[in-house]
Amino acid sequence: EVQLVESGGGLVQPGRSLRLSCTASGFTFDDYAMSWVRQAPGKGLEWVGLIRRKDFGGPTEYGASVKGRFIISRDDSKSIAYLQMNSLKTEDTGVYYCTREVDIDYGMDVWGQGTTVTVSS
Amino acid sequence: ENVLTQSPATLSLSPGERATLSCRASQSVSHFLAWYQHKPGQAPRLLIYGASNRAPGIPARFSGSGSGTDFTLTISSLEPEDFGVYYCQKRSNWPALTFGGGTKVEIK
Repeated sequence: EVQLVESGGGLVQPGRSLRLSCTASGFTFDDYAMSWVRQAPGKGLEWVGLIRRKDFGGPTEYGASVKGRFIISRDDSKSIAYLQMNSLKTEDTGVYYCTREVDIDYGMDVWGQGTTVTVSS
Repeated sequence: ENVLTQSPATLSLSPGERATLSCRASQSVSHFLAWYQHKPGQAPRLLIYGASNRAPGIPARFSGSGSGTDFTLTISSLEPEDFGVYYCQKRSNWPALTFGGGTKVEIK
């Protein structure tokens, strides 16, 4: 079964850091780019960032609201994608989903169930 | 900045009715647009890619159309399980991606 499982969410104080993990199974992880998407309470979906496949150089792209604070990485040997969140703000609170990406002409075809991050003092 | 505007914000319909959801881009995105369904407590689900192609396993009552700046998601006859929030997504600047604000389809 193709599956993505997020972990690492929790309560963190503003200004601190947190790292989320996304563990993939049921498919060849190396063949896909991976994205992170979040949803703040009562708000819509917001794209956070993406990491390409290693054979495409593995470069990353980020949304404007997290650029310079969040870092996405991947460990293909473990089939895990990471979201390192630094200098957290209260507005970073929400549910964080990891998703599988193919290319420009497709979409986010596999989603995890999400992990909740709460930034509060 | 290429913004996606979805309308209406809320659509109140009864099962069996036709739903028409709009997504408008401020600049052309060609056919690089996807649609997702999101229900409370669940992960979002890809419905349509490339503006008009149904993702695997998506029922035929869901259809997408449009190109350039104006797109439509149509649900031909609403089923009870179709109620939720629908998002369009601009993919023309991949790997940079953008979601629209969403349309909530609720039971009338």
